[in-house]
Amino acid sequence: QVHLVESGGGVVQPGRSLRLSCAASGFTFSSYGMHWVRQAPGKGLEWVAAISYDGSKKYYADSVKGRFTISRDSSKNTLYVQINSLRAEDTAVYYCAKDDCTTTSCLGYWGQGTLVTVSS
Amino acid sequence: QSVLTQPPSVSAAPGQKVTISCSGSSSNIGNNYVSWYQHLPGTAPKLLIYENNRRPSGIPDRFSGSKSGTSATLGITGLQTGDEADYYCGTWDSSLSAGVFGGGTKLTVL
Repeated sequence: QVHLVESGGGVVQPGRSLRLSCAASGFTFSSYGMHWVRQAPGKGLEWVAAISYDGSKKYYADSVKGRFTISRDSSKNTLYVQINSLRAEDTAVYYCAKDDCTTTSCLGYWGQGTLVTVSS
Repeated sequence: QSVLTQPPSVSAAPGQKVTISCSGSSSNIGNNYVSWYQHLPGTAPKLLIYENNRRPSGIPDRFSGSKSGTSATLGITGLQTGDEADYYCGTWDSSLSAGVFGGGTKLTVL
């Protein structure tokens, strides 16, 4: 069955960098687009970034453009997001999700999330 | 401020029906399919509806979706206490080239 496991979260000082990982199993990773979605404390879901199945196309929310970089390594079945110049407003649970639709994106499977806390 | 607009909360009694609206624009809902997600605190969000009105396997037919123009609606019949959760609509915004979610609706089953 599909399994997504995020890692790499923790407490980080403002201005520092962090790389989150999402280990995927139970499906052909190289055939599916993948997304990152986050939820700040007490807030709703916020879409962060997406990458096409082959890594050729990448998309970002305006709120993270220029600071976040999404990538994937199909040899390791792993999705990444590099977060630079961390800000307090980046504090959130970060989820990776599998895009199950070939039409408009639909996120059929999600990981349990990893918590990033930006604090000095 | 979310691109898609949902009511902050809805409530209904067990066994009753509730609908949750999601309003957008021509660049998102108007020209793309809508998905709906259920999110219980501390758990992974779950896909309930995709492509406006299709249910993934395992999702009961108590959950339904529809779309008209630039708005979409999630319907839940036969409400159960276990349905208490936050519900989000989502789609793609062609102008932003980005995914978008509604602000979320908290469902209370009284």
